Amino acid sequence: GAVVSQHPSRVICKSGTSVKIECRSLDFQATTMFWYRQFPKQSLMLMATSNEGSKATYEQGVEKDKFLINHASLTLSTLTVTSAHPEDSSFYICSALTSGEQFFGPGTRLTVL
Amino acid sequence: GENVEQHPSTLSVQEGDSAVIKCTYSDSASNYFPWYKQELGKRPQLIIDIRSNVGEKKDQRIAVTLNKTAKHFSLHITETQPEDSAVYFCAASPGNQFYFGTGTSLTVIP
Repeated sequence: GAVVSQHPSRVICKSGTSVKIECRSLDFQATTMFWYRQFPKQSLMLMATSNEGSKATYEQGVEKDKFLINHASLTLSTLTVTSAHPEDSSFYICSALTSGEQFFGPGTRLTVL
Repeated sequence: GENVEQHPSTLSVQEGDSAVIKCTYSDSASNYFPWYKQELGKRPQLIIDIRSNVGEKKDQRIAVTLNKTAKHFSLHITETQPEDSAVYFCAASPGNQFYFGTGTSLTVIP
């Protein structure tokens, strides 16, 4: 199946700093990628849809100025958590869409101190 | 947006028994319903999916049924094995977005 990578796998940062997470489709091109947030023992919450060459579409309640998404190429989408706070600590997971099916990255564990 | 509910949240079955997980959705525009298995610390993996023009689909021990009128769909796992233990998520897709259910933690007792 299609392979999606995500980097970094874990990141710890201080409150107020920004963190960038990369999502790459390794063996296919993806015009659409998704960013999810997953709390412990909970479901995946769709944050935004990342579209190559255009602005991301954010779900209701997700601050677009806080969670900056850039999808500059057909194989790379980035999520930047700006001015991170402890409540932003979570597991962030991306997926890439191909032929109607989404393939997930391994996720990034963000801890904000 | 789409609202997907999933039940039960936890399920324990004896090895060899069947397990059934049920989901409902709210958006009649949803036309694609995948099911994912997520093992602890790993990424979700697609195990089976169904589209709105089909009422049932089976793949070995796994089957999914869809009732469009009632807006609900179910996952059936037969002859469960310990390696089936994981968290299972249903999802509904009204277009390009995917909205997930709350998950079911399945434990298969040897």
